[in-house]
Amino acid sequence: SQQGEEDPQALSIQEGENATMNCSYKTSINNLQWYRQNSGRGLVHLILIRSNEREKHSGRLRVTLDTSKKSSSLLITASRAADTASYFCATDAPIYGNKLVFGAGTILRVKS
Amino acid sequence: DTAVSQTPKYLVTQMGNDKSIKCEQNLGHDTMYWYKQDSKKFLKIMFSYNNKELIINETVPNRFSPKSPDKAHLNLHINSLELGDSAVYFCASSPRTGGETQYFGPGTRLLVL
Repeated sequence: SQQGEEDPQALSIQEGENATMNCSYKTSINNLQWYRQNSGRGLVHLILIRSNEREKHSGRLRVTLDTSKKSSSLLITASRAADTASYFCATDAPIYGNKLVFGAGTILRVKS
Repeated sequence: DTAVSQTPKYLVTQMGNDKSIKCEQNLGHDTMYWYKQDSKKFLKIMFSYNNKELIINETVPNRFSPKSPDKAHLNLHINSLELGDSAVYFCASSPRTGGETQYFGPGTRLLVL
């Protein structure tokens, strides 16, 4: 099974609302990253949070990390139609060596 | 200027053919990757090279052969294409090995008929 699993699988909200996506993982990590993928495009890095950090912000994005629960959340505030995309978490874990392991993603649709 | 570029963007071919996908990065990174994204959007690493040296070789059929002529280029050659090879293939790069931030190309959409 996968290291990272996102929840929910799909999320539909109105423009201006906040969107929260969650990621759970199974093993100890060095860091956790969030990526966005617009339809038909490559992945774009959003935020990297290290295992000794609990929260990070970047613009309208807020990421939290709870290593005791092995989970992370991505909050997008004041969502826009342009935020419509798939969002993936990826973990860098010692057990997996020199690679990132991606979750299955959350599909976010922001309706205008 | 495109940081990570791939060619071709689309590839439609018949079963049994051999095809290549090319990737180039102009970020000066040491490490490059090939990923396969299936129809359910699950992204799985296939290979990784660091300074032209293969460092990650996942359980991938040996019909897939990566080649890195220099650290800015990583190509993927696929022999005897099968229907199950249909997917989107992404190239990515990072400054170093390990869990660094990765920069992805736009993807190559491969359809095997």
